[in-house]
Amino acid sequence: QQPVQSPQAVILREGEDAVINCSSSKALYSVHWYRQKHGEAPVFLMILLKGGEQKGHEKISASFNEKKQQSSLYLTASQLSYSGTYFCGTESIQGAQKLVFGQGTRLTINP
Amino acid sequence: DAGVTQSPTHLIKTRGQHVTLRCSPISGHKSVSWYQQVLGQGPQFIFQYYEKEERGRGNFPDRFSARQFPNYSSELNVNALLLGDSALYLCASSPPVRVNEQYFGPGTRLTVT
Repeated sequence: QQPVQSPQAVILREGEDAVINCSSSKALYSVHWYRQKHGEAPVFLMILLKGGEQKGHEKISASFNEKKQQSSLYLTASQLSYSGTYFCGTESIQGAQKLVFGQGTRLTINP
Repeated sequence: DAGVTQSPTHLIKTRGQHVTLRCSPISGHKSVSWYQQVLGQGPQFIFQYYEKEERGRGNFPDRFSARQFPNYSSELNVNALLLGDSALYLCASSPPVRVNEQYFGPGTRLTVT
């Protein structure tokens, strides 16, 4: 089943923070986060594996709560380059490499 | 290093026709996955191949087929095209050590008229 992302869209001013949530009804092995700009391929941001870890990538970090089957992506002090659609992809079986993507969250950063 | 490459970039076909899309993975990557992305939605899994064997199949009709070659490149074939097949078709490859990571190519935009 497709994970549910919230919110569907966010508009921020440069420098503001954002949180994007991804929730699944199935037990998860891993959660993958991607950013896709209009007309381009999704770009890999990070993976979080079962174990409830948190990861960071410059000012973008994420957490994974396997008990709640939820992941959150945190964007701190957003930059114009952060604009795009963010997708979470979930993997229920280890090694399956079959990602089920959410519907996406469109993030717009204004100067 | 070159990323995942796909060809052609754009394609326009008529209903009922057949199409072949091609993908070359990142050098050293042995796993290739195919996804369909309809406008405004997230990618949907079609196939996954590893070492020339099908390892996973999504919920797509038998009109969709794929294969992987000895050099790890891959083809996606779609027969009897329908209007609903219009989409961006993405190929992703995974490194052998970190098989969970998937790196996407630029995609092939297929329009069926």
